[in-house]
Amino acid sequence: EAGVAQSPRYKIIEKRQSVAFWCNPISGHATLYWYQQILGQGPKLLIQFQNNGVVDDSQLPKDRFSAERLKGVDSTLKIQPAKLEDSAVYLCASRQDRISGNTIYFGEGSWLTVV
Amino acid sequence: GEDVEQSLFLSVREGDSSVINCTYTDSSSTYLYWYKQEPGAGLQLLTYIFSNMDMKQDQRLTVLLNKKDKHLSLRIADTQTGDSAIYFCAEIPSGGSYIPTFGRGTSLIVHP
Repeated sequence: EAGVAQSPRYKIIEKRQSVAFWCNPISGHATLYWYQQILGQGPKLLIQFQNNGVVDDSQLPKDRFSAERLKGVDSTLKIQPAKLEDSAVYLCASRQDRISGNTIYFGEGSWLTVV
Repeated sequence: GEDVEQSLFLSVREGDSSVINCTYTDSSSTYLYWYKQEPGAGLQLLTYIFSNMDMKQDQRLTVLLNKKDKHLSLRIADTQTGDSAIYFCAEIPSGGSYIPTFGRGTSLIVHP
């Protein structure tokens, strides 16, 4: 079974530029999460999708971050314009569904450096 | 709100047992997870325990849950240099939207 795929793995951009990250969850997984992990800290939730609907985006800085999962499969996270403090690893994770799947699988992450 | 606390560092000798501790605040937590993160990699699920269990063993890993004290521990037997990584504890509260909350991670350093 293929895991959670993320791209790009690494990205360096200048502040005020924009960047987009892509995630393809495990096939059949209804729930998709985006987490931000700053160096030395644990992952913090940005947004959770259930199929193509947003379940929780209360921690997403909506003035600069946006995310979508239009067809309920893959997802894109965008940052525009980027700030220095956005330098982090952006982790995508997926889970089968609330009833039959309690295991959450993570991708390898997209490492962002803003200079 | 939820809060998960872990000590930041643990250093052990190869072959010894490692015990990584975690405390959480949400008494309604249903699942508690342990993830491993190696340098430059994502989070790898090691094991999890359901809140109605006290202990779970999986090969070299033993998870102990003390619900009264809201304390979770991960014991790694016969620790190897390949176990050097950051270990994250995460809790999932009951009901709601099934969102894991992570601790800051414990860096395990295994030396010969």
